[in-house]
Amino acid sequence: DGGITQSPKYLFRKEGQNVTLSCEQNLNHDAMYWYRQDPGQGLRLIYYSQIVNDFQKGDIAEGYSVSREKKESFPLTVTSAQKNPTAFYLCASSAGTPSYNEQFFGPGTRLTVL
Amino acid sequence: ELKVEQNPLFLSMQEGKNYTIYCNYSTTSDRLYWYRQDPGKSLESLFVLLSNGAVKQEGRLMASLDTKARLSTLHITAAVHDLSATYFCASPYGNKLVFGAGTILRVKS
Repeated sequence: DGGITQSPKYLFRKEGQNVTLSCEQNLNHDAMYWYRQDPGQGLRLIYYSQIVNDFQKGDIAEGYSVSREKKESFPLTVTSAQKNPTAFYLCASSAGTPSYNEQFFGPGTRLTVL
Repeated sequence: ELKVEQNPLFLSMQEGKNYTIYCNYSTTSDRLYWYRQDPGKSLESLFVLLSNGAVKQEGRLMASLDTKARLSTLHITAAVHDLSATYFCASPYGNKLVFGAGTILRVKS
């Protein structure tokens, strides 16, 4: 089955820790995205990548980092510089730019700071 | 910068009633997306509207797009409890997709 997987489903972070969220897709999509959703809020774009080995900052990139070494993988690291990381993190992918291609979403990772 | 505004942000409806959710966007675009999100879950694609005048229907939901007015509507007909969810519209902006704040729909029996 083609789709997007995210792991873990739940993640707990202690103060000062870096944690990495996994996102993998087998849809052969070129573009991948990371969004953050706070309770009762919309989606805010963290980082996106249109092609392997290239990525751009979104609207709230501070305290986050990404890599895109493989087409199917786009991991997100939440660093200790991100002061309020508790949120629901959603990964998405699309064949190309949203002007011509629909985005599909993974199941999400819920991150909680202890 | 593109702004996408939805209204209402919260909608409480009785079962069997009709209502419309509005989505306004601030820059020219020929495409508009609607998504549904159930509590604690991810986003599920509902409709992709590809051009001016596009209309799509799925069950009790019908979406339309007026690119000249920069307006999309999501119409709910004879609401049922299963439609309770948060509905997001989203418009492309360069290489990004900009989302509205979402409309929380609660259908009461």
